[in-house]
Amino acid sequence: QVQLQESGPGLVKPSQTLSLTCTVSGGSISSGSSYYSWIRQPAGKGLEWIGRIYTSGSTNYNPSLKSRVTMSVDTSKNQISLRLSSVTAADTAVYYCARYYDILAGYYNFDYWGQGTLVTVSS
Amino acid sequence: DIQMTQSPSSLSASVGDRVTITCRASQSINKYLNWYQQKPGKAPSVLIYAASSLQSGVPSRFSGSGSGTDFTLTISSLQPEDFATYYCQQSHSAPLTFGGGTKVEIK
Repeated sequence: QVQLQESGPGLVKPSQTLSLTCTVSGGSISSGSSYYSWIRQPAGKGLEWIGRIYTSGSTNYNPSLKSRVTMSVDTSKNQISLRLSSVTAADTAVYYCARYYDILAGYYNFDYWGQGTLVTVSS
Repeated sequence: DIQMTQSPSSLSASVGDRVTITCRASQSINKYLNWYQQKPGKAPSVLIYAASSLQSGVPSRFSGSGSGTDFTLTISSLQPEDFATYYCQQSHSAPLTFGGGTKVEIK
């Protein structure tokens, strides 16, 4: 059973960089057919896709955040990481990591999610 | 970007009711459409993929239909555990996008 666990500071000051790590257990992140994504959700609002990374290191980012986002992968630790720079209060949200899996010949879905971690941007 | 529009944004229903939620894409996404259920304080979980395929372990009262730009999620007989928020998500192309959500509440 694949499990994902987000970790990182729960409080970040404005203009600083948010850094989160997602540790994957129950399987190697290097196994084929999977990307890993970060998704966030402000309190009481909907889901926003931040970006995805393949285990080769190739990435796609949401254009709305692209200038501030960096994702990386460490296959030796079975981890993916997110860095979001120059944060403001608008970046306050629950941040999820999720596996984006090719379930059916090119049809992908988010089949495993972490429990989410609340990041608050405040001085 | 492909915009996903869900309706209604909320609905009230009783146990045993048939519930239908719609999702419209701003351009054709063929059948690259997933549905998720989210309960308060929890991560979303996938119900339907490829517009109409039931994810393993999901009860058969959930079904999906549609292709192109118009999609539907149907719960044939609403159960107490189904009161939650539902999201559609297009997997056609990046940036991946979600609908705004439909909150299903108890009448």
